[in-house]
Amino acid sequence: EPEVTQTPSHQVTQMGQEVILRCVPISNHLYFYWYRQILGQKVEFLVSFYNNEISEKSEIFDDQFSVERPDGSNFTLKIRSTKLEDSAMYFCASRVGQGVTEAFFGQGTRLTVV
Amino acid sequence: AQSVAQPEDQVNVAEGNPLTVKCTYSVSGNPYLFWYVQYPNRGLQFLLKYITGDNLVKGSYGFEAEFNKSQTSFHQKKPSALVSDSALYFCAVILSSGGSYIPTFGRGTSLIVHP
Repeated sequence: EPEVTQTPSHQVTQMGQEVILRCVPISNHLYFYWYRQILGQKVEFLVSFYNNEISEKSEIFDDQFSVERPDGSNFTLKIRSTKLEDSAMYFCASRVGQGVTEAFFGQGTRLTVV
Repeated sequence: AQSVAQPEDQVNVAEGNPLTVKCTYSVSGNPYLFWYVQYPNRGLQFLLKYITGDNLVKGSYGFEAEFNKSQTSFHQKKPSALVSDSALYFCAVILSSGGSYIPTFGRGTSLIVHP
């Protein structure tokens, strides 16, 4: 069964450093998402991406964040200058996009900012 | 505003007993509703969805959910709980915005099934 894959599974970084979280969505999917989940809290929407551009973003997704799909398969989330409060589990998801279909989620990347 | 609420942080049930995990929604227009499950240190796995049609939808692992428009609810049920059902369950509503259909999640309900 096709699945969304994310790397790395765990990333530790120092405050102020840049991190790139990587995702490979399911190959025939058209819509891509990033979510985050701070420990013990709800799953929060960050950004959606379609047709090589951001289609929606939340208030959380400020100028420190960026996404891109550099090669038609990978979908990356970059945090330019990490803060302690960026520590969370980051989930990538993708969706076929034909009608109201369910999103498929990756296993997540646990980001720890120290 | 469009949102989904899960009123219980935790549900405890004995193995073999029926379980219900509650979800209510607030959305303008027709809701598209989903349930996901999250096992420890794992991503969210899709369980079931309601788009249109029959109010009772059946999903993976024996779970089902009933869409109730008058009560704006989408409670998930299972007739006989298993210890392996213990996990975090998330209800989600789709917001239709320019076709991006962004799933918005509730806070999650921790289901604990006791042997």
